[in-house]
Amino acid sequence: QVQLQQWGAGLLKPSETLFLTCAVYGGSFSDYYWTWIRQPPGKGLEWIGEINHSGNTNYSPSLKSRVTISVDTSKNQFSLKLSSVTAADTAVYYCARGPHKGAQQPLTYWGRGTLVTVSS
Amino acid sequence: EIVLTQSPGTLSLSPGERATLSCRASQSVSSSYLAWYQQKPGQAPRLLIYGASNRATGIPDRFSGSGSGTDFTLTISRLEPEDFAIYYCQQYGSSPRTFGQGTKVEIK
Repeated sequence: QVQLQQWGAGLLKPSETLFLTCAVYGGSFSDYYWTWIRQPPGKGLEWIGEINHSGNTNYSPSLKSRVTISVDTSKNQFSLKLSSVTAADTAVYYCARGPHKGAQQPLTYWGRGTLVTVSS
Repeated sequence: EIVLTQSPGTLSLSPGERATLSCRASQSVSSSYLAWYQQKPGQAPRLLIYGASNRATGIPDRFSGSGSGTDFTLTISRLEPEDFAIYYCQQYGSSPRTFGQGTKVEIK
């Protein structure tokens, strides 16, 4: 059974940098892309980006200038960094398992989510 | 970027009724790489359907998906109390892997 455990700071001030990490337990870390998604309070889901074990990334065009997703294969972890946050970045951030290296796949396993609030 | 538009925004139905949710894409979704997720308050989304019509593991057969190209449908044949939730479609065939804005299925 695959489990994703995520953590990071929950309260930030405007202009600070958001940093979240997601650890993967079970399954094959190297066979998949690993994904970040966010959901503002009361709103829908927004795909942020994904990374594979080799560090290949895909990002949402709307966030690309501020987002960096990185991977630590020695720990089966991947991380999200979002710079220059504003109140509009307040959301629950989820990590999830994305496509297989050999085939497109949906988001089958999800973390529980981390609420990040940006407020002065 | 593929834009997904879900309709209706809200569906008010009674338990036992049939629910039909629509997801329309701004361009063709390659190889029907279209998924449906269910989300309940305070929970992460749960995968229901992938490949437009394949039920994920453990999903009851009252949930079914259909469609291809730009038009997709999620059908819940007979609503159970636990099915009242928000449903999202997502295309995962091309990056960015976009979501629809969601359809809320509420108790009438």
